[in-house]
Formats: sequence, structure tokens, C-alpha cells
Amino acid sequence: DIVMTQTPLSLSVTPGQPASISCKSSQSLLHSDGKTYLYWYLQKPGQPPQLLIYEVSNRFSGVPDRFSGSGSGTDFTLKISRVEAEDVGVYYCMQSIQLMYTFGQGTKLEIK
Amino acid sequence: EVQLVESGGGLVQPGRSLRLSCAASGFTFDDYAMHWVRQAPGKGLEWVSGISWNSGSIGYADSVKGRFTISRDNAKNSLYLQMNSLRAEDTALYYCAKDLLPTVTTGNYFDYWGQGTLVTVSS
Repeated sequence: DIVMTQTPLSLSVTPGQPASISCKSSQSLLHSDGKTYLYWYLQKPGQPPQLLIYEVSNRFSGVPDRFSGSGSGTDFTLKISRVEAEDVGVYYCMQSIQLMYTFGQGTKLEIK
Repeated sequence: EVQLVESGGGLVQPGRSLRLSCAASGFTFDDYAMHWVRQAPGKGLEWVSGISWNSGSIGYADSVKGRFTISRDNAKNSLYLQMNSLRAEDTALYYCAKDLLPTVTTGNYFDYWGQGTLVTVSS
């Protein structure tokens, strides 16, 4: 199985400040079709996860442009340019290059 | 509006069975693959199983292979998960999730999730 490792596991950010979460995979997520199958989800408190970013850097419909994704191969980053109170929750990366899709452990974002 | 409503969870003894259901609405159900993803209390997300639009391709996590069976009824817009030989470690909130693709292969991901149904395995 592909292991997804996120860092940090928690972070506390002042509103208006940036935040960054790293996700590393144990194998390359670059497929022979040229696409990289790395996704980001946010699970707000008491809610199911919601899709933020697909294929490394594409924002899903309705996701604010303060969220951005980058990376390649095995190293990926989710950045929030200016954290807002509504961004609290747990962020997960996920790979689907292999049928046994796997998630990172999650990164809990809190507001200072 | 896409809606996914899970049901069938509850308290069950180890070794027993349970069947989860997910009722879908607001989209053309038989155009998309569907999945079950679970979350143990206070823990992260674990993909459990996925099924293609026509049930032609199915996948399972190693942790449930041979014990769980995913199925769907496109006429009823419903997804199911038959869980046999349940273990304490199967205790979790089980989410139904809609895929953006019709098949279960590479590049799948989930755009809509239900609220989940809680399964507790305990004697």
C-alpha cells in the first residue's frame, strides 16, 4: 500500500496569516497518463469531508482561491494564503493511483 | 442537490453481520462509481470499498477483503455494504461517497459524502 505522511499533525494559525501542510507519499503518484492522483480534503468539525483540491492543484467547485495545491512525484503541499475562522478542521491528503486508496493521518488546523 | 443518506448502523456483537445502505438522490446514480469510507472514533479516514457504475469493477481494502461485500441497485438508487464476521476494529462511522468517475480504477476521488452511519462492534 502507498503510505501518505502529513506534516505537521497540527497547527495553530492567526486569522489572516498563511498556513502550509505537507504530504509525502511512499511512491510516486505520477501516472503513465501524465496525471498525478493527489487530492486534498477538509473535514470541518462534526461534518463529513469535503473536497478541496483534485489532481494536485485544481480547486474543486466553490473552493475559495485562498486554497492552493502544489507538488509533484511524492511531495505535495496545501497552502492557505490567509486563514479564516471557517478553515478550522482536519485536512487530509489522499492518493488514488493505486486501487487501495489511502489517506494521510490528517492535519488539525486551529485558529489562535 | 446531491444527497447521500446512510442507514443500517448500530451496535453488533463481534462475529455477527450488519448491512449498511446508502440512498442517493439529486444525480444520475448509475453514471458514477460509489464508495464506502470509514472513520474510527477520533481517527482518520480509511477507504473501505468501491463499486463501478455497472458493478463490473469492485475493490476492497485488505482489512475487509473476504468479510465485506459491496453492491448497488441502480433501479433503487442505492448502495449497500454487507459486513460479515465483524470485529471490534470495524467500529467506525461509515460514509457513503460519490465518485466523479464511472469506474473503480486509477484517479478516483469523491465529490459528495453522506453524513455517515455509526457501526459499533462490541460484546
